[in-house]
Amino acid sequence: DSGVTQTPKHLITATGQRVTLRCSPRSGDLSVYWYQQSLDQGLQFLIQYYNGEERAKGNILERFSAQQFPDLHSELNLSSLELGDSALYFCASSVVAGRGEQFFGPGTRLTVL
Amino acid sequence: AQTVTQSQPEMSVQEAETVTLSCTYDTSESDYYLFWYKQPPSRQMILVIRQEAYKQQNATENRFSVNFQKAAKSFSLKISDSQLGDAAMYFCAYRSSATNSGGGADGLTFGKGTHLIIQP
Repeated sequence: DSGVTQTPKHLITATGQRVTLRCSPRSGDLSVYWYQQSLDQGLQFLIQYYNGEERAKGNILERFSAQQFPDLHSELNLSSLELGDSALYFCASSVVAGRGEQFFGPGTRLTVL
Repeated sequence: AQTVTQSQPEMSVQEAETVTLSCTYDTSESDYYLFWYKQPPSRQMILVIRQEAYKQQNATENRFSVNFQKAAKSFSLKISDSQLGDAAMYFCAYRSSATNSGGGADGLTFGKGTHLIIQP
């Protein structure tokens, strides 16, 4: 158990819909990262938040957005969903200025029908 | 932009034998981190081993060790005494050492993975 929690574990929805994925980082970690794992694109970095502020963007679509709240949990919002958005979404957290490693949550499996 | 290449989509090894997984990367940075992550069928991403680019000594964690060749931009993972529980996808990953306050992409860049099969 990495200490990072994600809910829900599975999510099934229809095209055009909007969903919210939730992540709680390890105790003491200020940085949260979101990743997408799909058969087509592999593991891709989407976005990073640090202590409530956006710090870095990767290959995140404009239809996707995220935020980090004062209690440090984070939410990833996916809207106007398409079939190709079906993937495993991971959240990871790390300590700032630490040893560099990120600890991953168990992931949320999103299926868009 | 950094890229990570794993040229072996699949590897197979007999139980108790040694196997080496290859990884090469491309970067213009001089300081960075490299990682190997394991993803078993449960899909959980598990950190196996890490290496700081400024350290010449190769990292070791029990049966797992790396061969880090900075000039060649190569970072291979050696698994000794392979066990059935080692069967998984293995991902090589790169991360800049830039601090968060310095901005820039701080996420991990992953290779496409190597599927490791352990033959009993």
